[in-house]
Amino acid sequence: AQRVTQPEKLLSVFKGAPVELKCNYSYSGSPELFWYVQYSRQRLQLLLRHISRESIKGFTADLNKGETSFHLKKPFAQEEDSAMYYCALNPGTYKYIFGTGTRLKVLA
Amino acid sequence: SQTIHQWPATLVQPVGSPLSLECTVEGTSNPNLYWYRQAAGRGLQLLFYSVGIGQISSEVPQNLSASRPQDRQFILSSKKLLLSDSGFYLCAWSPSDQPQHFGDGTRLSIL
Repeated sequence: AQRVTQPEKLLSVFKGAPVELKCNYSYSGSPELFWYVQYSRQRLQLLLRHISRESIKGFTADLNKGETSFHLKKPFAQEEDSAMYYCALNPGTYKYIFGTGTRLKVLA
Repeated sequence: SQTIHQWPATLVQPVGSPLSLECTVEGTSNPNLYWYRQAAGRGLQLLFYSVGIGQISSEVPQNLSASRPQDRQFILSSKKLLLSDSGFYLCAWSPSDQPQHFGDGTRLSIL
């Protein structure tokens, strides 16, 4: 079955520390993967997609097909990164499969 | 530019009452449209999606239904609300093969 797993419900880090939000997926084909972010009182919005291979707000994510992972990383966390992060999989259909989300708290 | 509008922002309804949540998209044509329910600790659950007028696919059997009477209008409905229908409902749209864009959401409370 197609599935996206985000094992951490809450991740707390100190400002300036590295951040890694974990995402593992279950899909036999070639998936398209995304990270969405929801800041407090804002809409859920796209942060990045794996095919773009770009860094957004200092975040990067590399698709590891061997480990079926798409972890989100940032070398130095900032307080404004505090938000809810969702990993999502598009298995090539109109349906997107979202993980349960990880709340990131960056402490001063 | 494209925009998505979803209303109302909050709604309090008694058990057994009907429901109608509306979502409209501007600035594009023939978008894919989606209704999700967002629950704490459970992520986003896809409820319905539509790839064209009158074309609705249901992902989860439940007390809700969806309709797409116009190209850029997507409506989530219920004839009789249950307590379990309480939650946060999100509408989203996407161009074909592109990432989704979400509305502000509706917080539905059933009393």
